Amino acid sequence: RKEVEQDPGPFNVPEGATVAFNCTYSNSASQSFFWYRQDCRKEPKLLMSVYSSGNEDGRFTAQLNRASQYISLLIRDSKLSDSATYLCVVIPLRGNTGKLIFGQGTTLQVKP
Amino acid sequence: SQTIHQWPATLVQPVGSPLSLECTVEGTSNPNLYWYRQAAGRGLQLLFYSVGIGQISSEVPQNLSASRPQDRQFILSSKKLLLSDSGFYLCAWTKGLAGTDTQYFGPGTRLTVL
Repeated sequence: RKEVEQDPGPFNVPEGATVAFNCTYSNSASQSFFWYRQDCRKEPKLLMSVYSSGNEDGRFTAQLNRASQYISLLIRDSKLSDSATYLCVVIPLRGNTGKLIFGQGTTLQVKP
Repeated sequence: SQTIHQWPATLVQPVGSPLSLECTVEGTSNPNLYWYRQAAGRGLQLLFYSVGIGQISSEVPQNLSASRPQDRQFILSSKKLLLSDSGFYLCAWTKGLAGTDTQYFGPGTRLTVL
């Protein structure tokens, strides 16, 4: 089983739609969770951290479910500019010098 | 503010040739540094990380090596490239040791081995 798993998609949605991605992780001792965004042929950039209580940043909401070992990303009112690959990232252990474990990524294509 | 540079941006090399990719960070001191590789259509794979000058940890056995000759310089090398070394090489840095700090990525080097 992969340490971090995502549905690669692509998710094709119309503008204005709400879309959600899930990501599962295998190590129950994982400490930190993030969503990164990667545009085509570009480097990944941090979208948002995922906190235990859930967090929201504008149209984006991230949630963590430790019991089921998954994190989610919800995008409301999708824009064309949201088209990208969304990477789920897990830091497995506290004090592990920051090694990140990346999921394969979920590709989102927002259509006009 | 901190910035991270990588060069070259793109590289086409024949099989069996050597490789040297460079990464430098500005605006911070004693960063943790990382090399990742992303093969076409695949996720990011951590290759090496470094918590200080001369300190290198390897994640995946392969024909690549890394060095950190200066605090803010991280180099990825190979003596003989393989076809399977093709990919997008990303350098990243983070400040903290707690593992909770954000990692910032450089613009990457796209390597094609022919």
